[in-house]
Amino acid sequence: DAGVTQSPTHLIKTRGQHVTLRCSPISGHKSVSWYQQVLGQGPQFIFQYYEKEERGRGNFPDRFSARQFPNYSSELNVNALLLGDSALYLCASSFSIPSSYNEQFFGPGTRLTVL
Amino acid sequence: AQRVTQPEKLLSVFKGAPVELKCNYSYSGSPELFWYVQYSRQRLQLLLRHISRESIKGFTADLNKGETSFHLKKPFAQEEDSAMYYCALNLVGFQKLVFGTGTRLLVSP
Repeated sequence: DAGVTQSPTHLIKTRGQHVTLRCSPISGHKSVSWYQQVLGQGPQFIFQYYEKEERGRGNFPDRFSARQFPNYSSELNVNALLLGDSALYLCASSFSIPSSYNEQFFGPGTRLTVL
Repeated sequence: AQRVTQPEKLLSVFKGAPVELKCNYSYSGSPELFWYVQYSRQRLQLLLRHISRESIKGFTADLNKGETSFHLKKPFAQEEDSAMYYCALNLVGFQKLVFGTGTRLLVSP
């Protein structure tokens, strides 16, 4: 298993555009979480999905949305991009809802640059 | 508000010296705390969780609820410990992980 995979690796967009980021969890994992990591900061929680339902949401505007598919892969969508959306977007998967008993495994991230 | 504070952006030590990376948290509920590590050009990965009370790669961390701290310690640092370390708090029931800003540990020979 290659672990959590994310695509694309890098992405350059302009202000106002829309972007879709993709994540494939580890085989057998049913939970996916998304994080935004701005340079010099720790990851900031955006969404958590389990069994195709949203189970947690961070303090992000409605321009951010996500979904989880029947095969447990996930997409993160960001509309009306702003310069401040430039960041590394991390996806993490776990067998069940993340906790001390269900470790999250992180992907390599997608680097989004908004010009 | 829930918050994780890592006061040091950079901690630089010599090989063989003791290391303590500080982490303080603010949370009114029962905390679940973790240390994550990111080595150069590698993914973020779990290092320790407070419930396990085990030593991983020589690192230990004890949850001190009175001081709301979860400091990471190692008695003798190795060069391969050089990495970015993040303390994280799991908000049980809210399904979200709150990370600190991270501390870069640099171990020199």
